[in-house]
Amino acid sequence: DIQMTQSPSTLSASVGDRVTITCRASQSITSSLAWYQQKPGKAPKLLIHRASSLERGVPSRFSGSGSGTEFTLTISNLQPDDFATYYCQQYNNYWTFGHGTKVEIK
Amino acid sequence: DVQLVESGGGLVQPGGSLRLSCAASGFTFSKFWMTWVRQAPGKGLEWVANIKQDGSEKHYVDSVKGRFTIFRDNAKNSLFLQMNSLRAEDTAVYYCARAILGWYFDSWGQGTLVTVSS
Repeated sequence: DIQMTQSPSTLSASVGDRVTITCRASQSITSSLAWYQQKPGKAPKLLIHRASSLERGVPSRFSGSGSGTEFTLTISNLQPDDFATYYCQQYNNYWTFGHGTKVEIK
Repeated sequence: DVQLVESGGGLVQPGGSLRLSCAASGFTFSKFWMTWVRQAPGKGLEWVANIKQDGSEKHYVDSVKGRFTIFRDNAKNSLFLQMNSLRAEDTAVYYCARAILGWYFDSWGQGTLVTVSS
């Protein structure tokens, strides 16, 4: 089974900050990675697929990069609406989510 | 607009059964893989099961194999999850989602809560 490790588990930041979340796969998943945003009590929302392809309607301050085993989600100019939990998910071999990164207000 | 509406959750005793439903609208249901993802209280997301467009291919996470069955009715634009031999650790909000090419999940329902407790 492919394990996905996200870091950090919690990130404190301020509006306007640039934040980066890392996701590491236990083996190569090529570019088969998606990122989701989830707010409390709500369903997850797809942000990025294929490691770096921004989903339609998602603000351009979100970006993804990486391939193989290491991936990053970057939010530039953090906005109040961005405080949420973010999950990576691999789909190269079955489907596995990371444990999540909570972005909270500093 | 794509809409997915889950139903069927509730309180069930350990060892019991429950069937979840997901009504789809706003897209051609029969052309998409579909999936169930769950989230235990205060925990992260866990993929549970996927099903191909025509139901000919299904995949399950190891922890539910032999207990859960995913199936669909394309004529009724509906997805189902039959859950048997339920355990306390199956307690979670269950989401249905549309899977693009069976890979990632671009549209989600609001979720339905399943609580397994005596």
